[in-house]
Amino acid sequence: QVQLQESGPGLVKPSQTLSLTCTVSGGSISSGTYYWSWIRQPAGKGLEWIGRIYTNGNTNYNPSLKSRVTISLDTSKNQFSLKLSSVTAPDTAVYYCAREDSSGYYPPPFDYWGQGTLVTVSS
Amino acid sequence: DIQMTQSPSSLSASVGDRVTITCRASQSINNYLNWYQQKPGKAPNLLIYGASSLQSGVPSRFSGSGSGTEFTLTISSLQPEDFTTFYCQQSFSIPRTFGQGTTLEIK
Repeated sequence: QVQLQESGPGLVKPSQTLSLTCTVSGGSISSGTYYWSWIRQPAGKGLEWIGRIYTNGNTNYNPSLKSRVTISLDTSKNQFSLKLSSVTAPDTAVYYCAREDSSGYYPPPFDYWGQGTLVTVSS
Repeated sequence: DIQMTQSPSSLSASVGDRVTITCRASQSINNYLNWYQQKPGKAPNLLIYGASSLQSGVPSRFSGSGSGTEFTLTISSLQPEDFTTFYCQQSFSIPRTFGQGTTLEIK
């Protein structure tokens, strides 16, 4: 059973860089045809897709955040990471990592999600 | 970006009711539409993919239909655990986008 777990600081100061890691267990992050995504949700609001990385390292980003986002893969640790620079209060949200598996139905839905981690931007 | 609009934003219903939630896309997305259920404090859970395919382990009271720009999620007989929030999501193009959510409330 695949499991995803987010980790990282729960509090980030304005103008600094938010850094989160998603650890994948129950399967290799680099095997198969997987896309690994970050999605966020401000309190009481809807879901916003941030971006994703493919198993070969190719990335796609939401144009609204592209200038501030970097997603990377660490296959040795079975993890992928999110960096969001120059954060402000509106970046406060629960951040989820999620998987799309393109080996089955295509284009794939988000079939596995982490539990989410709250990141607050405040001085 | 493709805009996804759900209606209604909230819906009051009773256990045993049949309910339908609508999701409209700002352009045709073929049948590349997924539905998720989110319980309070939890991550979204995939219910339906490809507009009408039931995800493994999801109760058969959930069903989806539609293509192009208009889609529906139907719950045939509401159970107490269904009073949560539902989101549609398009996988036609990047960026992936979600509807704003529909919350089911107990009448």
